[in-house]
Amino acid sequence: AQSVTQLGSHVSVSEGALVLLRCNYSSSVPPYLFWYVQYPNQGLQLLLKYTTGATLVKGINGFEAEFKKSETSFHLTKPSAHMSDAAEYFCVLNAGGTSYGKLTFGQGTILTVHP
Amino acid sequence: GAGVSQSPRYKVAKRGQDVALRCDPISGHVSLFWYQQALGQGPEFLTYFQNEAQLDKSGLPSDRFFAERPEGSVSTLKIQRTQQEDSAVYLCASSAHRVPAAYEQYFGPGTRLTVT
Repeated sequence: AQSVTQLGSHVSVSEGALVLLRCNYSSSVPPYLFWYVQYPNQGLQLLLKYTTGATLVKGINGFEAEFKKSETSFHLTKPSAHMSDAAEYFCVLNAGGTSYGKLTFGQGTILTVHP
Repeated sequence: GAGVSQSPRYKVAKRGQDVALRCDPISGHVSLFWYQQALGQGPEFLTYFQNEAQLDKSGLPSDRFFAERPEGSVSTLKIQRTQQEDSAVYLCASSAHRVPAAYEQYFGPGTRLTVT
């Protein structure tokens, strides 16, 4: 069975501060990993993804994440938070292999950015 | 271009009523998914279509839930005899890929179902 755990349901940072959203996963096969963001009253949008190759992946809006197999982690970071980053973020796993795309979501982390 | 659309955006149903939720995927997308998102939780997989074929319905919580995609484009999720535990946001997503595991899924805004 596969699962995703996001550490911290709420994270609050000041504008300009580092953003770190933590994600750990469990998977019996090499995973595909994604971060999606959900702004209020909008659909989920892909921030970035890891499939194979380089373990440090860059996404939109200055976000990046590093796949660490030894730690089974895929933490999301951004060096300097902006007010527009306030949203809910989901770490998402796809088991890959023969799986066609059934996604397993973490419970989400709500990011608040203070001026 | 147009994204994934869902209708209605909000639905209030009395317990025991049947409801139908519609999803219009991005034109030409072969893969279509339904997810259920309870309050304060991440979305959970319900079912998957590749064109008109329903290849996985393992996430449907009971036989009151039924999904179809008869012409391989628009999909409808039907819930019969709604119960309070069915209250959730129902998300639809589509992908251009026949094997979409490594690719982005494009999500609609969801339908918020409240069962009273």
